[in-house]
Amino acid sequence: GESVGLHLPTLSVQEGDNSIINCAYSNSASDYFIWYKQESGKGPQFIIDIRSNMDKRQGQRVTVLLNKTVKHLSLQIAATQPGDSAVYFCAEGAGGGNKLTFGTGTQLKVEL
Amino acid sequence: GAGVSQSPRYKVAKRGQDVALRCDPISGHVSLFWYQQALGQGPEFLTYFQNEAQLDKSGLPSDRFFAERPEGSVSTLKIQRTQQEDSAVYLCASRSRKNEQYFGPGTRLTVT
Repeated sequence: GESVGLHLPTLSVQEGDNSIINCAYSNSASDYFIWYKQESGKGPQFIIDIRSNMDKRQGQRVTVLLNKTVKHLSLQIAATQPGDSAVYFCAEGAGGGNKLTFGTGTQLKVEL
Repeated sequence: GAGVSQSPRYKVAKRGQDVALRCDPISGHVSLFWYQQALGQGPEFLTYFQNEAQLDKSGLPSDRFFAERPEGSVSTLKIQRTQQEDSAVYLCASRSRKNEQYFGPGTRLTVT
């Protein structure tokens, strides 16, 4: 994926609004996709995953959408809270997900 | 329950020194992964173990990097003759039967 160095794309939302974070993946053979949340000084935290035989999956306050035609993945967070502030990464895997390839992160900032 | 733990959390090494980074995976997780995360970027795959077998080491950047998991549990990532470009956060992850990779907090390595 494209490297943005220290300048991560940033999404600012008001508390209570819905957030949508987008990701483009590169490998047509990828069959497993995951969203991770990473807070400063911590390792990535699993949020939700989806396999390529699905186009939508819902969790608690989160929904992942997969569009294989355009190789696009999105994460929707409902009623965004201050605790959701973090960097969000999408990751893709192929053939069982042994090796994950991470995309460029997006910094989500929740404003009170 | 206990998650993935890594030690040390921070390591400062002088250029040319050898370092050893430890990972304790979640108990019972067969698969273990190492990733390298540069500042402001997503994690990049280094190597993968299934039990004690190292099945993929395609991401190791040079022969100065060596990983082992002799008893199929704890793993050590060793970097010989460290260089400044080795400065990064080194993340370990173990995988559940549901194929979810759970990450540890990482070891931040700074080479001076």
